[in-house]
Amino acid sequence: AQSVTQLGSHVSVSEGALVLLRCNYSSSVPPYLFWYVQYPNQGLQLLLKYTTGATLVKGINGFEAEFKKSETSFHLTKPSAHMSDAAEYFCAVTHNAGGTSYGKLTFGQGTILTVHP
Amino acid sequence: GAGVSQSPRYKVAKRGQDVALRCDPISGHVSLFWYQQALGQGPEFLTYFQNEAQLDKSGLPSDRFFAERPEGSVSTLKIQRTQQEDSAVYLCASSIGPYSGNTIYFGEGSWLTVV
Repeated sequence: AQSVTQLGSHVSVSEGALVLLRCNYSSSVPPYLFWYVQYPNQGLQLLLKYTTGATLVKGINGFEAEFKKSETSFHLTKPSAHMSDAAEYFCAVTHNAGGTSYGKLTFGQGTILTVHP
Repeated sequence: GAGVSQSPRYKVAKRGQDVALRCDPISGHVSLFWYQQALGQGPEFLTYFQNEAQLDKSGLPSDRFFAERPEGSVSTLKIQRTQQEDSAVYLCASSIGPYSGNTIYFGEGSWLTVV
């Protein structure tokens, strides 16, 4: 079984400050990890994903995340917050198990990011 | 279409009423998922289709929930005898194929309120 824990249901930062959203996962097999963003009344949009290869992955809108196997973490960062970053962010995990795998995602509870002037 | 399309966007149902939620995935996408997102929670998996075959329905909460994708494109999620606990956003998503690393694209959701 897989699970995702997002530490902090609400994070508040000042515009221009560092954004750090925490995600820890549990998986008995090598994970594939994703960050999605959800704006009010909209669906989920993929920010970035880690499958294999380089552990530091860059996504859209200046976000990046680093897969750390030893810490079972996949924290999302952005050097400088912008007002338009205010949204809810979801970390998700799946895995590749050959023919029986198809990408079913297990999501965390979400973190609401507030950016104030 | 360019993205995953869902209808209706908003539905208010009286308790006990049946509802049907439609999903139009991205053209050519083999994989289709339904998720349920309760207020303040992350999405939770309901069911998965690969073309017209429903390969996983382990997340359907009760036998009142039924999904189909008869021609391998449009899908319908049906909820019979709705209950208040069914109030949630129902998200449909699709991807080009069953590889786990493929990007899964989500629709904007169908917001169901049961009164």
